[in-house]
Amino acid sequence: AQKVTQAQTEISVVEKEDVTLDCVYETRDTTYYLFWYKQPPSGELVFLIRRNSFDEQNEISGRYSWNFQKSTSSFNFTITASQVVDSAVYFCALSDLRVGANSKLTFGKGITLSVRP
Amino acid sequence: NAGVTQTPKFQVLKTGQSMTLQCAQDMNHNSMYWYRQDPGMGLRLIYYSASEGTTDKGEVPNGYNVSRLNKREFSLRLESAAPSQTSVYFCASKESGRYYEQFFGPGTRLTVL
Repeated sequence: AQKVTQAQTEISVVEKEDVTLDCVYETRDTTYYLFWYKQPPSGELVFLIRRNSFDEQNEISGRYSWNFQKSTSSFNFTITASQVVDSAVYFCALSDLRVGANSKLTFGKGITLSVRP
Repeated sequence: NAGVTQTPKFQVLKTGQSMTLQCAQDMNHNSMYWYRQDPGMGLRLIYYSASEGTTDKGEVPNGYNVSRLNKREFSLRLESAAPSQTSVYFCASKESGRYYEQFFGPGTRLTVL
């Protein structure tokens, strides 16, 4: 069975601090995909990034970066110089084994990030 | 291009009432999903549909039924609502294959009294 653990439930930082959101996953598959989604206070879910299990390169997009480490089954998300607009719930998710249209996502329980001015 | 749309946005029901949540996507996606989101529980899959004419149970299907009306539309029905079904419901769609991300609708906030 697949599992995604986001052990941090709530994080509060002051604007301009760096913050890392942890994601640890379990799967017996050798090929899988990992995702991060953002849910701002308005409620919609926004896709941030996708990473496949064969690509361990870190990814940077502006103030956001992701560190994928297969050896520790982790896919952590760092926000550099956080801003109030980063306040949101962040979900990590893992795709399942079945190839094709039956692919499902297993979500972690989410991390609520509050960035104070 | 509206993406994934859901109706209604808000709904209050009394215990035992029935209702249908509607979802439609205009991205020509094969796969569609219904989730519920509860505090501290993340997103839990209720039902999904790999393609038109097929549906499968997810993690928490009890108390719900679904219909994949056509490629665009995927509805979720509560036959006899219970307070435990108070939640925010999200519909999502995606291309076939594990690679693709899911696109989510804006959600329906349902309260069952």
